[in-house]
Amino acid sequence: QKEVEQNSGPLSVPEGAIASLNCTYSDRVSQSFFWYRQYSGKSPELIMSIYSNGDKEDGRFTAQLNKASQYVSLLIRDSQPSDSATYLCAVTEMGTYKYIFGTGTRLKVLA
Amino acid sequence: GAVVSQHPSWVICKSGTSVKIECRSLDFQATTMFWYRQFPKQSLMLMATSNEGSKATYEQGVEKDKFLINHASLTLSTLTVTSAHPEDSSFYICSARRGSVGYEQYFGPGTRLTVT
Repeated sequence: QKEVEQNSGPLSVPEGAIASLNCTYSDRVSQSFFWYRQYSGKSPELIMSIYSNGDKEDGRFTAQLNKASQYVSLLIRDSQPSDSATYLCAVTEMGTYKYIFGTGTRLKVLA
Repeated sequence: GAVVSQHPSWVICKSGTSVKIECRSLDFQATTMFWYRQFPKQSLMLMATSNEGSKATYEQGVEKDKFLINHASLTLSTLTVTSAHPEDSSFYICSARRGSVGYEQYFGPGTRLTVT
């Protein structure tokens, strides 16, 4: 069974620090990877997609993909209390557009 | 760009009645839309995938006769929960994939259904 695993947390970081969120996936042929942020009671919001090995930066966010090790991570620089949310990792199933979601990591940024 | 709306945002209905939820892509054409359900403190569970003009593909364990999905146009998909029961109370979220561009899904704001 294809799986996407995340540490449920909570991950607590002080304001201004770097938050590091990790995700591993079991399907070696997965090609597309996504990070979403979900505030309590709200729907997920796309932060970033990454398709190739290496780093991809967008503002305070950096996604890192290592297909050989089957992990994808998200770094949040200069973390703010407003970044406190659950972060969901999603991986597409090979040959379809369907996502396989991880269970999410709850991030708490302490003021 | 890539805005998805849902209506209603919340609904309360009585057991045994049916409820329709609309999902619209406002500024793009959505060839594929997805319907998810999320229970408290759990991750999203995919219910079905719908393509415009085709029958929806349901995930294992999802009753297609209970959760009717219609993807009538490139901007509108509907989910009808038929003969609702209290255990159907949940947060229903749709997402849409933008045309043939990438694999990103853009989520609607969700519909909170409470069945009494």
